[in-house]
Amino acid sequence: LAKTTQPISMDSYEGQEVNITCSHNNIATNDYITWYQQFPSQGPRFIIQGYKTKVTNEVASLFIPADRKSSTLSLPRVSLSDTAVYYCLVGELNYGGSQGNLIFGKGTKLSVKP
Amino acid sequence: DARVTQTPRDKVTEMGQEVTMRCQPILGHNTVFWYRQTMMQGLELLAYFRNRAPLDDSGMPKDRFSAEMPDATLATLKIQPSEPRDSAVYFCASGSGYEQYFGPGTRLTVT
Repeated sequence: LAKTTQPISMDSYEGQEVNITCSHNNIATNDYITWYQQFPSQGPRFIIQGYKTKVTNEVASLFIPADRKSSTLSLPRVSLSDTAVYYCLVGELNYGGSQGNLIFGKGTKLSVKP
Repeated sequence: DARVTQTPRDKVTEMGQEVTMRCQPILGHNTVFWYRQTMMQGLELLAYFRNRAPLDDSGMPKDRFSAEMPDATLATLKIQPSEPRDSAVYFCASGSGYEQYFGPGTRLTVT
């Protein structure tokens, strides 16, 4: 099971770029990296997923170095509405293998201030 | 916009009572998950099903919790008897590959 480590909390200001790094030193060959966002009183919401290099969508970018032992979620120009908990998960597709992508951990609580 | 639905949204019950939570997964998703979230423990996976068959329920207290999928449109999580330590938000999620779509949750309070 690929254990993930993230900062417990981060603070930022509106308009700044926020980078949240997740460590997963024992990631397996078949594992993908997935990030979720959770607002208070809601269920987590999928943000982005990647295997290597860089993935970008309309919400965020995900940077994964060649050794894949860490990944960085990048949120461009955050707003107050980006205040949430962000979870990094590592596991095989189709929830297979060690099912690491079903283990949410504590996540990173991002607070965006005006 | 397809969504996972859960009922009830809120449930207050007394210790010892039976509680049943229901979930309607997104049509076409073959995997359904049940999670529990508390401030202390965070999000914990209780059980999940693929094509209606239970794959893993190792996260559930077996003596009082049970999860079933009577058909492809309904998943249930039952607690009998309920205890105050079961107070939490229970989330159902569904998916078909790697992404999970979560419902709004059922907030359970056991007094």
